[in-house]
Amino acid sequence: TQLLEQSPQFLSIQEGENLTVYCNSSSVFSSLQWYRQEPGEGPVLLVTVVTGGEVKKLKRLTFQFGDARKDSSLHITAAQPGDTGLYLCAGVVGGSEKLVFGKGMKLTVNP
Amino acid sequence: NAGVTQTPKFQVLKTGQSMTLQCAQDMNHNSMYWYRQDPGMGLRLIYYSASEGTTDKGEVPNGYNVSRLNKREFSLRLESAAPSQTSVYFCASSIYFSNQPQHFGDGTRLSIL
Repeated sequence: TQLLEQSPQFLSIQEGENLTVYCNSSSVFSSLQWYRQEPGEGPVLLVTVVTGGEVKKLKRLTFQFGDARKDSSLHITAAQPGDTGLYLCAGVVGGSEKLVFGKGMKLTVNP
Repeated sequence: NAGVTQTPKFQVLKTGQSMTLQCAQDMNHNSMYWYRQDPGMGLRLIYYSASEGTTDKGEVPNGYNVSRLNKREFSLRLESAAPSQTSVYFCASSIYFSNQPQHFGDGTRLSIL
């Protein structure tokens, strides 16, 4: 059973389009992290959200943590080819200390 | 600032051979991790070291051993490689164990024939 479900798993869009990636679980997370991984490299942290309802912005990327801390979303506005990569969410379940990763969403932004 | 350095970057082994993957971090982090990444499976934790002198099993530890050599270095050993261990292996570190962002190396691509 996957603790963190990400959707969609694959997305191919044109430059300038908007998109939203979802990260869902039946468990409550004490914190949730979003990473981006480019081909041939390791994941790189984008943001950490901790408080239910929290919204963080990173240029054209907007991250939201659900009120109940069971889900999160990543919205990208006006996607660019440089946004291409694998987007991973990872969470720490309350009571456990281990970080658990979702399977990721592979994004391709075509020029 | 190198961050997390993994060696080698690529390796091909025959079934039954052994090898050690090396990882070193220069950020004075206390915690270190080994993951494997397979298509459609995401990142799965093999072993971790919450602090120098301790190691613990993760989600998929069978067939692997680890050594936390010192605060900087954390190695992963395959004693008798099997084709099912073909994967990309990532080492990561964090300042502390819980609720902290992890910094990853660029991975070791391992093929076992």
